[in-house]
Amino acid sequence: DTAVSQTPKYLVTQMGNDKSIKCEQNLGHDTMYWYKQDSKKFLKIMFSYNNKELIINETVPNRFSPKSPDKAHLNLHINSLELGDSAVYFCASSQRGRDSPLHFGNGTRLTVT
Amino acid sequence: AQSVTQPDIHITVSEGASLELRCNYSYGATPYLFWYVQSPGQGLQLLLKYFSGDTLVQGIKGFEAEFKRSQSSFNLRKPSVHWSDAAEYFCAVGYGQNFVFGPGTRLSVLP
Repeated sequence: DTAVSQTPKYLVTQMGNDKSIKCEQNLGHDTMYWYKQDSKKFLKIMFSYNNKELIINETVPNRFSPKSPDKAHLNLHINSLELGDSAVYFCASSQRGRDSPLHFGNGTRLTVT
Repeated sequence: AQSVTQPDIHITVSEGASLELRCNYSYGATPYLFWYVQSPGQGLQLLLKYFSGDTLVQGIKGFEAEFKRSQSSFNLRKPSVHWSDAAEYFCAVGYGQNFVFGPGTRLSVLP
């Protein structure tokens, strides 16, 4: 009965490869997010989708492409991986409205070698 | 621009001691404020939230936080820390459909 689930939990790959991270939420929320947590634990928003529509698109290299097939899923595809992409990527969801907190997945630790 | 600061990068307390983690925010309107906890290798778990009303809010695991508008602060407190409270703590402000997080405070607990 996991609320926000991400796969895979760990991802080790080489520079130049393309990889995807999947996220699903069963909370019935209409908004989903991708956050990046760097080695210093700093959390920065990357993207946000509301009902499959992109609403937040921070300054992120266009090698990162989110895709939301429906409001319960938000996937992240990364092309041409670079060493600097190594981080923990968190998916989160909330219900539209400022009084709804974020619910996080357990994260995907991406290591680029 | 909206921002959140957590002045303490790392705090160490003894088990059973009281705890206060500081959080200051910058936001033009009435903020929606949150505290999250992250245990190693885990996602972030919501401890408590403030939207309006009583400025002292209670959360899970015995935590509470007090909103002080005059000081733009939302400090987290716990009267008696347990060893299992050792984790990273994040303060966040919500605006629109975005959430801005502070840099986090790492809490270590001595036996």
